[in-house]
Amino acid sequence: KNEVEQSPQNLTAQEGEFITINCSYSVGISALHWLQQHPGGGIVSLFMLSSGKKKHGRLIATINIQEKHSSLHITASHPRDSAVYICAVRSRSGGGADGLTFGKGTHLIIQP
Amino acid sequence: DTAVSQTPKYLVTQMGNDKSIKCEQNLGHDTMYWYKQDSKKFLKIMFSYNNKELIINETVPNRFSPKSPDKAHLNLHINSLELGDSAVYFCASSQAYIRTATHGTEAFFGQGTRLTVV
Repeated sequence: KNEVEQSPQNLTAQEGEFITINCSYSVGISALHWLQQHPGGGIVSLFMLSSGKKKHGRLIATINIQEKHSSLHITASHPRDSAVYICAVRSRSGGGADGLTFGKGTHLIIQP
Repeated sequence: DTAVSQTPKYLVTQMGNDKSIKCEQNLGHDTMYWYKQDSKKFLKIMFSYNNKELIINETVPNRFSPKSPDKAHLNLHINSLELGDSAVYFCASSQAYIRTATHGTEAFFGQGTRLTVV
């Protein structure tokens, strides 16, 4: 079982729909990141969360530390939101290179 | 004024060759990372480097070696390239390294280098 699980793996929706992508993790974390990987391959950091909720434009990210769960929401989705959305956590545990542990990503397609 | 830049963007080379991928960040960050994205699009940490301290992930073969001439650069050298090394490699940086930090650990990624070994 991966330390970071995302759902759904693939999501196709119509323009304008409200989108929710979920992330569950099994380790204690110091921070959780939501990343966007463009169709061209580049990765952009959308949010970094350690508690509560953050909003940037049409994007909203929430985290529930007790439940070890985070959600990424997109309101009024648009075809340009089509990308892979990746959840990543920074673990509190020791050892290793102490980078991020990534989920496998959610491939989102927004159709016009 | 790209924050984290990698070169080259594409690299095609033959098995057995030695190659390097360069990474530079102009954010004044103390910590830099190399990640590998495999054919299944799964990202995995390879190395992190914080203020001249290199932390090696034990799953990375010895053929991979990061080199940091200064805090703004973390280059990735790969010796004796193998077919399985074909992947996209991402460099990233963050301000803070401390595991329990709740700020300053946001990661900024380079655009990636697609390495193809033939």
